[in-house]
Amino acid sequence: EIVMTQSPATLSVSPGERATLSCRASQSVSSNLAWYQQKPGQAPRLLIYGASTRATGIPARFSGSGSGTEFTLTISSLQSEDFAVYYCQQYNNWPKTFGPGTKVDIK
Amino acid sequence: EVQLVESGGGLVKPGGSLRLSCAASGFTFSSYSMNWVRQAPGKGLEWVSSISSSSSYIYYADSVKGRFTISRDNAKNSLYLQMNSLRAEDTAVYYCARAKSIAVAGTRVYYFDYWGQGTLVTVSS
Repeated sequence: EIVMTQSPATLSVSPGERATLSCRASQSVSSNLAWYQQKPGQAPRLLIYGASTRATGIPARFSGSGSGTEFTLTISSLQSEDFAVYYCQQYNNWPKTFGPGTKVDIK
Repeated sequence: EVQLVESGGGLVKPGGSLRLSCAASGFTFSSYSMNWVRQAPGKGLEWVSSISSSSSYIYYADSVKGRFTISRDNAKNSLYLQMNSLRAEDTAVYYCARAKSIAVAGTRVYYFDYWGQGTLVTVSS
């Protein structure tokens, strides 16, 4: 099983600032990596797939990069609606494993 | 508009059974693989099971293998999860999620593009 790790566990950011979230896979997942956003009481929402392709309707301030084992999600200028938990997920191998999440909260 | 609506959650005693349903609309259900993903209270996401569009391929997480059964009825646009021998650690919100298929380097891979709102399963005596 591929183990996904995320850092930091919590990121405190002021509105308008840049946020950089990291995700690491225990072995290569190529570019088969997705990012999801989850707000309290809501279902996860797909942000990024293929490590860097934004899903339909996702604002351009969200960008993804990386391949192999190291990935990054960047939110260029945090808006109030972006404070949430972010999960990465590899879909290269079974089982399709998620990282433990990074909580982005207001500084 | 893609909609996925789960139902069937509730309180069940350890060792008991429950059947979850997911009603799909807004897309051609029979063309997509589907999945169940769960989230224990205050915890992260855990993939549970996947089923291909024609039910030919089925996968389970080790944590539920032999106890849970995924199925679908394409005529009814519905996905199911039969959960038997439930344990306290199965307590979670269960989400159904559509799998979007893309071709990458000659193989097909699947990510989860739409999710339902979830249904809560509580296993407790």
